[in-house]
Amino acid sequence: KAGVTQTPRYLIKTRGQQVTLSCSPISGHRSVSWYQQTPGQGLQFLFEYFSETQRNKGNFPGRFSGRQFSNSRSEMNVSTLELGDSALYLCASSPQGGLQETQYFGPGTRLLVL
Amino acid sequence: AQKITQTQPGMFVQEKEAVTLDCTYDTSDPSYGLFWYKQPSSGEMIFLIYQGSYDQQNATEGRYSLNFQKARKSANLVISASQLGDSAMYFCAMREGLGGGSEKLVFGKGTKLTVNP
Repeated sequence: KAGVTQTPRYLIKTRGQQVTLSCSPISGHRSVSWYQQTPGQGLQFLFEYFSETQRNKGNFPGRFSGRQFSNSRSEMNVSTLELGDSALYLCASSPQGGLQETQYFGPGTRLLVL
Repeated sequence: AQKITQTQPGMFVQEKEAVTLDCTYDTSDPSYGLFWYKQPSSGEMIFLIYQGSYDQQNATEGRYSLNFQKARKSANLVISASQLGDSAMYFCAMREGLGGGSEKLVFGKGTKLTVNP
C-alpha cells in the first residue's frame, strides 16, 4: 500500500504571496492532519479533517486554512505569507482519527519564505 | 505546562549498545495513547511504537521497546543493539481522549540520537 504523499516537496515564496500544499493519504484513510515544524516552536498541530469536515484546529491565525476532498485528499493554504511561515509542513493520515490509531506521516513540504 | 517533556536534547551511544530516550507526559484524561516517532535528516516522521494507557504490558516492536510507568507518567523508548542508521531525531507524542474522534498529536521537543561506530 502506498504511503502518504505530499506535493510539492520544496517551495520558495516571497512575503505576501499565498501557497497551497497538497496531501494524499494512505488508501482507505479518512482522517488527515497537518502539522508545522520549525526549529523554534517544534511540531505544532494545525488542523485535522475527516470526511471533508474540519474536526479540530490548532492555535494558528486565519491565514492558515485547509480543506478535504471526497477522495480524502487534503490541501492546506497559507495566505499573505510571512517570514515566520518558513517551516516543514507535515501531513499525516489515519483510518478514522481515533485515539489508538497511528498517524502515518508523509515526507513533508519544506517552505521557505523570502 | 508542557504536555510532553523530553529532557535529553542530545544523546550519544556506541554501535551495538542499548540506549534509553526519556519521555514524561502530563494528562488528566484516563484514556490516552503514547507514540514514538523517528525523524531522519530527510524530514519524514517514521512511526516506531505505540502504548495505550490501558495496556497492561509494555509495547515492543523489534529492537524498540517502551518502558511504560503509568504512575510516574513516563514512557521511555529503549533501543537495543543500536545501529548507525538509528542516528536521527526521536519524538515522543501523545493523543488524549477528547472524545468525538477529534484527537490530535502533541509532540515533545525531541532528542537527537547519534550512534558512534
